[in-house]
Amino acid sequence: GEDVEQSLFLSVREGDSSVINCTYTDSSSTYLYWYKQEPGAGLQLLTYIFSNMDMKQDQRLTVLLNKKDKHLSLRIADTQTGDSAIYFCAETLHGSSNTGKLIFGQGTTLQVKP
Amino acid sequence: DTEVTQTPKHLVMGMTNKKSLKCEQHMGHRAMYWYKQKAKKPPELMFVYSYEKLSINESVPSRFSPECPNSSLLNLHLHALQPEDSALYLCASSQHPGYEQYFGPGTRLTVT
Repeated sequence: GEDVEQSLFLSVREGDSSVINCTYTDSSSTYLYWYKQEPGAGLQLLTYIFSNMDMKQDQRLTVLLNKKDKHLSLRIADTQTGDSAIYFCAETLHGSSNTGKLIFGQGTTLQVKP
Repeated sequence: DTEVTQTPKHLVMGMTNKKSLKCEQHMGHRAMYWYKQKAKKPPELMFVYSYEKLSINESVPSRFSPECPNSSLLNLHLHALQPEDSALYLCASSQHPGYEQYFGPGTRLTVT
């Protein structure tokens, strides 16, 4: 079945790098997403990667995908206090079995200390 | 522009009331979604509309009734809700089913 797991909490100092990890179980071709949610707000799509890619970089964000281990990570360089939020990893199937349903992890709360 | 708007921002309703949540997008997206999110939990999918047709209903109680009047608009009609239905209700849209989803800011619903 489909399952996505994340660690629940990460604390870093301002200016350091943050690495948020996620594992997934579905071996079908899939898209993998990172969403950010600040308190009281909706989900903001940060970035996404298709399962045939290894890495994607977008400004301070780097996504790494290890297909063999079904492991996804999000690295935030030069973490700022404004990065404090809950980060959700999610996957969706690609192709004819794609219903559009996102499978979310439990979310990682990132705390950035000044 | 990747904006999805939702109204109202907050809603308090009694268990005998009827109310509606509204979601709108003008990005030409053909898939729209309703999610329910409890505090400190990930969103849970409720309904998916693909090309204005209901394609997924995740066994949601009938007191929640979705409607998609046109490709830009999605409503969620609420009737006879229970206190445990209090949550953040999120709308999302994507260009097609399975493409990346863009979320609105949500409606914070409190059932008294």
